[in-house]
Amino acid sequence: SQQGEEDPQALSIQEGENATMNCSYKTSINNLQWYRQNSGRGLVHLILIRSNEREKHSGRLRVTLDTSKKSSSLLITASRAADTASYFCATGRITGGGNKLTFGTGTQLKVEL
Amino acid sequence: DGGITQSPKYLFRKEGQNVTLSCEQNLNHDAMYWYRQDPGQGLRLIYYSQIVNDFQKGDIAEGYSVSREKKESFPLTVTSAQKNPTAFYLCASSNTANTEAFFGQGTRLTVV
Repeated sequence: SQQGEEDPQALSIQEGENATMNCSYKTSINNLQWYRQNSGRGLVHLILIRSNEREKHSGRLRVTLDTSKKSSSLLITASRAADTASYFCATGRITGGGNKLTFGTGTQLKVEL
Repeated sequence: DGGITQSPKYLFRKEGQNVTLSCEQNLNHDAMYWYRQDPGQGLRLIYYSQIVNDFQKGDIAEGYSVSREKKESFPLTVTSAQKNPTAFYLCASSNTANTEAFFGQGTRLTVV
């Protein structure tokens, strides 16, 4: 089963606006990561936040993590048409067999000119 | 160039045949992963491996098999037992538990 569920499933905004995507998960985690996927391609890592961190920034990206609510959000500020892609959260959980990295269902972001 | 390479990019298979997808990394990463992605869907974990000669089932392992004989290689076999194998398959690797994963460009498998 999917560890993460993302909301909304699809988001359409105008260039220059901010985009916010949310991720909820079910079990305890060691870290939460966000990835971007352009159509038909592999995923590209955006940002990682550890379970003992609450907020992290990278350029136009801001990620928050609330472990008590088992949720995270990704904010993209001043969006550009080139930000159009699918965005996935992924939870990292250390198990007996290693680091299990499980992905959510994704948010499709469309940034219009 | 350092990275993770999947081959082939496109693969066609007849029903009832096994097929093996290749994944190689030269990043010296310990962990490797296989995911399946269906159209418009998220990634579902098939198998993952932390060290050589050891691997764990993910959420949808039925009908798939893997091996990890070398650190840099983690091939995935889609067996005839997999009822609906047509999908986009992604391989990834990571260094340690709290670091990012690097992805290959994927293999699109079609059963004809």
